[in-house]
Amino acid sequence: DAGVTQSPTHLIKTRGQHVTLRCSPISGHKSVSWYQQVLGQGPQFIFQYYEKEERGRGNFPDRFSARQFPNYSSELNVNALLLGDSALYLCASTEGNEAFFGQGTRLTVV
Amino acid sequence: KQEVTQIPAALSVPEGENLVLNCSFTDSAIYNLQWFRQDPGKGLTSLLLIQSSQREQTSGRLNASLDKSSGRSTLYIAASQPGDSATYLCAARYDYKLSFGAGTTVTVRA
Repeated sequence: DAGVTQSPTHLIKTRGQHVTLRCSPISGHKSVSWYQQVLGQGPQFIFQYYEKEERGRGNFPDRFSARQFPNYSSELNVNALLLGDSALYLCASTEGNEAFFGQGTRLTVV
Repeated sequence: KQEVTQIPAALSVPEGENLVLNCSFTDSAIYNLQWFRQDPGKGLTSLLLIQSSQREQTSGRLNASLDKSSGRSTLYIAASQPGDSATYLCAARYDYKLSFGAGTTVTVRA
Protein backbone atom coordinates (compact mmCIF):
# COMPACT_ATOMS: atom_id res chain seq x y z
CA ASP A 1 0.00 0.00 0.00
CA ALA A 2 1.20 3.50 -0.76
CA GLY A 3 1.92 5.73 2.17
CA VAL A 4 1.08 9.40 2.44
CA THR A 5 2.13 11.16 -0.75
CA GLN A 6 2.86 14.86 -1.09
CA SER A 7 3.56 17.01 -4.11
CA PRO A 8 5.64 18.77 -5.13
CA THR A 9 8.72 17.68 -3.18
CA HIS A 10 10.48 21.01 -3.59
CA LEU A 11 9.54 24.42 -4.87
CA ILE A 12 10.86 27.94 -4.87
CA LYS A 13 8.54 30.95 -4.76
CA THR A 14 8.99 34.72 -4.63
CA ARG A 15 7.72 36.88 -1.80
CA GLY A 16 4.09 37.86 -2.33
CA GLN A 17 3.24 34.86 -4.49
CA HIS A 18 0.71 32.14 -3.76
CA VAL A 19 1.45 28.43 -3.34
CA THR A 20 -0.63 25.25 -3.28
CA LEU A 21 0.65 22.05 -1.70
CA ARG A 22 -1.06 18.70 -2.18
CA CYS A 23 -1.43 15.58 -0.08
CA SER A 24 -2.97 12.16 -0.61
CA PRO A 25 -3.60 10.16 2.58
CA ILE A 26 -3.16 6.45 3.04
CA SER A 27 -6.03 4.59 1.41
CA GLY A 28 -8.95 4.35 3.83
CA HIS A 29 -7.78 7.18 6.08
CA LYS A 30 -10.31 10.00 6.33
CA SER A 31 -8.29 12.46 8.41
CA VAL A 32 -5.53 14.72 7.08
CA SER A 33 -3.40 17.16 9.07
CA TRP A 34 -0.85 19.75 7.99
CA TYR A 35 2.27 20.79 9.89
CA GLN A 36 5.01 23.35 9.29
CA GLN A 37 8.56 22.51 10.29
CA VAL A 38 11.11 25.30 10.34
CA LEU A 39 14.75 24.22 10.28
CA GLY A 40 15.93 23.08 13.69
CA GLN A 41 12.46 23.00 15.25
CA GLY A 42 9.71 20.47 15.73
CA PRO A 43 6.66 20.52 13.44
CA GLN A 44 3.92 23.01 14.30
CA PHE A 45 0.24 22.14 13.76
CA ILE A 46 -1.56 24.13 11.05
CA PHE A 47 -4.86 22.32 10.23
CA GLN A 48 -6.74 19.10 10.64
CA TYR A 49 -9.53 17.94 8.35
CA TYR A 50 -11.83 14.99 8.86
CA GLU A 51 -14.51 13.99 6.39
CA LYS A 52 -13.98 17.30 4.55
CA GLU A 53 -14.67 19.38 7.65
CA GLU A 54 -12.06 21.49 9.46
CA ARG A 55 -11.66 20.08 12.97
CA GLY A 56 -8.83 22.20 14.21
CA ARG A 57 -6.61 25.12 13.33
CA GLY A 58 -3.27 26.10 14.78
CA ASN A 59 -1.90 29.57 15.45
CA PHE A 60 -1.29 30.59 11.84
CA PRO A 61 -2.46 33.71 10.00
CA ASP A 62 -5.43 33.77 7.63
CA ARG A 63 -3.00 33.63 4.71
CA PHE A 64 -2.99 29.90 5.37
CA SER A 65 -6.03 27.91 4.24
CA ALA A 66 -6.79 24.32 3.39
CA ARG A 67 -9.49 22.05 2.14
CA GLN A 68 -10.22 18.35 1.83
CA PHE A 69 -11.81 16.73 -1.19
CA PRO A 70 -14.37 13.87 -1.42
CA ASN A 71 -11.52 11.39 -2.05
CA TYR A 72 -9.92 12.64 1.23
CA SER A 73 -6.93 14.25 -0.49
CA SER A 74 -6.11 17.74 0.70
CA GLU A 75 -4.61 21.03 -0.39
CA LEU A 76 -2.80 23.62 1.70
CA ASN A 77 -2.81 27.13 0.27
CA VAL A 78 -0.60 29.98 1.40
CA ASN A 79 -1.17 33.51 0.06
CA ALA A 80 1.14 36.52 0.07
CA LEU A 81 4.23 34.46 0.85
CA LEU A 82 6.78 35.81 3.31
CA LEU A 83 10.41 34.81 3.71
CA GLY A 84 9.44 33.29 7.06
CA ASP A 85 7.13 30.82 5.33
CA SER A 86 10.19 28.93 4.11
CA ALA A 87 9.91 25.53 5.75
CA LEU A 88 9.20 21.83 5.30
CA TYR A 89 5.44 21.31 5.08
CA LEU A 90 4.33 17.93 6.30
CA CYS A 91 1.06 16.16 5.74
CA ALA A 92 -0.17 13.35 7.98
CA SER A 93 -3.06 10.95 7.69
CA THR A 94 -4.42 9.49 10.90
CA GLU A 95 -6.05 6.19 11.74
CA GLY A 96 -6.92 5.24 15.29
CA ASN A 97 -5.04 8.29 16.61
CA GLU A 98 -1.77 7.13 15.03
CA ALA A 99 -0.28 9.62 12.58
CA PHE A 100 1.57 8.65 9.42
CA PHE A 101 3.55 11.35 7.67
CA GLY A 102 4.51 11.97 4.08
CA GLN A 103 7.97 13.01 2.90
CA GLY A 104 7.05 16.67 2.97
CA THR A 105 7.27 19.61 0.59
CA ARG A 106 10.30 21.85 0.98
CA LEU A 107 9.17 25.44 0.28
CA THR A 108 11.77 28.14 -0.20
CA VAL A 109 10.60 31.74 -0.44
CA VAL A 110 13.11 34.17 -1.96
CA LYS B 1 -0.06 25.50 27.39
CA GLN B 2 0.82 22.16 25.84
CA GLU B 3 4.59 22.22 25.57
CA VAL B 4 6.86 19.30 24.76
CA THR B 5 10.58 19.38 25.56
CA GLN B 6 13.36 17.04 24.50
CA ILE B 7 16.70 16.97 26.25
CA PRO B 8 19.47 16.75 25.16
CA ALA B 9 19.23 18.49 21.80
CA ALA B 10 22.07 16.34 20.49
CA LEU B 11 24.24 13.43 21.55
CA SER B 12 27.04 11.36 20.08
CA VAL B 13 27.77 7.79 21.15
CA PRO B 14 30.07 4.98 19.99
CA GLU B 15 28.51 2.07 18.16
CA GLY B 16 27.08 -0.56 20.47
CA GLU B 17 26.17 1.80 23.28
CA ASN B 18 22.56 1.99 24.45
CA LEU B 19 20.71 5.24 23.75
CA VAL B 20 18.33 6.97 26.17
CA LEU B 21 16.24 9.83 24.77
CA ASN B 22 14.01 11.92 27.02
CA CYS B 23 10.73 13.69 26.36
CA SER B 24 8.66 15.75 28.79
CA PHE B 25 5.21 17.33 28.36
CA THR B 26 3.48 19.95 30.48
CA ASP B 27 -0.17 18.87 30.05
CA SER B 28 -0.78 15.26 31.15
CA ALA B 29 -4.19 15.06 29.39
CA ILE B 30 -2.68 13.30 26.39
CA TYR B 31 -4.45 10.78 24.17
CA ASN B 32 -1.17 9.07 23.31
CA LEU B 33 2.51 9.72 22.71
CA GLN B 34 4.29 8.90 19.49
CA TRP B 35 8.01 8.67 18.73
CA PHE B 36 9.28 9.49 15.25
CA ARG B 37 12.56 9.31 13.38
CA GLN B 38 13.53 12.01 10.89
CA ASP B 39 16.47 11.80 8.49
CA PRO B 40 17.88 15.09 7.17
CA GLY B 41 15.42 16.88 4.89
CA LYS B 42 12.97 13.99 5.02
CA GLY B 43 9.56 13.30 6.50
CA LEU B 44 8.75 11.57 9.77
CA THR B 45 8.81 7.80 10.24
CA SER B 46 6.67 6.49 13.09
CA LEU B 47 8.64 4.30 15.50
CA LEU B 48 6.36 3.64 18.44
CA LEU B 49 2.93 4.70 19.66
CA ILE B 50 2.05 4.49 23.35
CA GLN B 51 -1.60 4.89 24.30
CA SER B 52 -2.32 6.99 27.40
CA SER B 53 -3.38 3.82 29.28
CA GLN B 54 -0.11 2.00 28.52
CA ARG B 55 3.18 2.17 30.39
CA GLU B 56 5.49 0.97 27.63
CA GLN B 57 5.74 -0.28 24.07
CA THR B 58 8.45 -2.32 22.38
CA SER B 59 9.54 -2.93 18.80
CA GLY B 60 12.78 -4.79 18.15
CA ARG B 61 15.67 -2.82 19.69
CA LEU B 62 13.33 0.04 20.60
CA ASN B 63 11.46 0.43 23.87
CA ALA B 64 9.44 3.45 24.91
CA SER B 65 8.00 4.15 28.35
CA LEU B 66 5.29 6.58 29.40
CA ASP B 67 4.63 8.12 32.80
CA LYS B 68 1.63 10.44 32.45
CA SER B 69 1.64 11.54 36.08
CA SER B 70 5.15 12.97 35.79
CA GLY B 71 4.73 14.08 32.17
CA ARG B 72 7.61 12.01 30.83
CA SER B 73 8.41 9.50 28.13
CA THR B 74 11.71 7.80 27.41
CA LEU B 75 12.88 6.07 24.24
CA TYR B 76 15.53 3.40 24.67
CA ILE B 77 17.51 2.12 21.70
CA ALA B 78 19.61 -0.95 22.46
CA ALA B 79 22.99 -1.68 20.91
CA SER B 80 23.09 1.42 18.72
CA GLN B 81 24.31 1.22 15.11
CA PRO B 82 25.55 3.91 12.70
CA GLY B 83 22.25 3.52 10.83
CA ASP B 84 20.46 4.82 13.94
CA SER B 85 21.96 8.26 13.33
CA ALA B 86 18.99 10.61 12.84
CA THR B 87 16.81 13.10 14.69
CA TYR B 88 14.27 11.57 17.04
CA LEU B 89 11.07 13.50 17.78
CA CYS B 90 8.41 12.83 20.35
CA ALA B 91 4.86 14.09 19.93
CA ALA B 92 2.01 14.24 22.42
CA ARG B 93 -1.51 13.97 20.99
CA TYR B 94 -4.10 16.38 22.38
CA ASP B 95 -7.42 15.65 20.66
CA TYR B 96 -6.94 16.55 17.01
CA LYS B 97 -3.36 17.76 17.07
CA LEU B 98 0.17 16.62 17.85
CA SER B 99 2.47 18.81 19.92
CA PHE B 100 6.10 18.09 19.04
CA GLY B 101 9.38 18.52 20.81
CA ALA B 102 12.30 20.01 18.89
CA GLY B 103 13.99 16.63 18.68
CA THR B 104 17.23 14.98 19.75
CA THR B 105 19.84 14.58 17.02
CA VAL B 106 21.76 11.33 17.49
CA THR B 107 25.12 10.47 15.96
CA VAL B 108 26.38 6.91 16.33
CA ARG B 109 30.12 6.71 15.66
CA ALA B 110 31.47 3.57 13.99
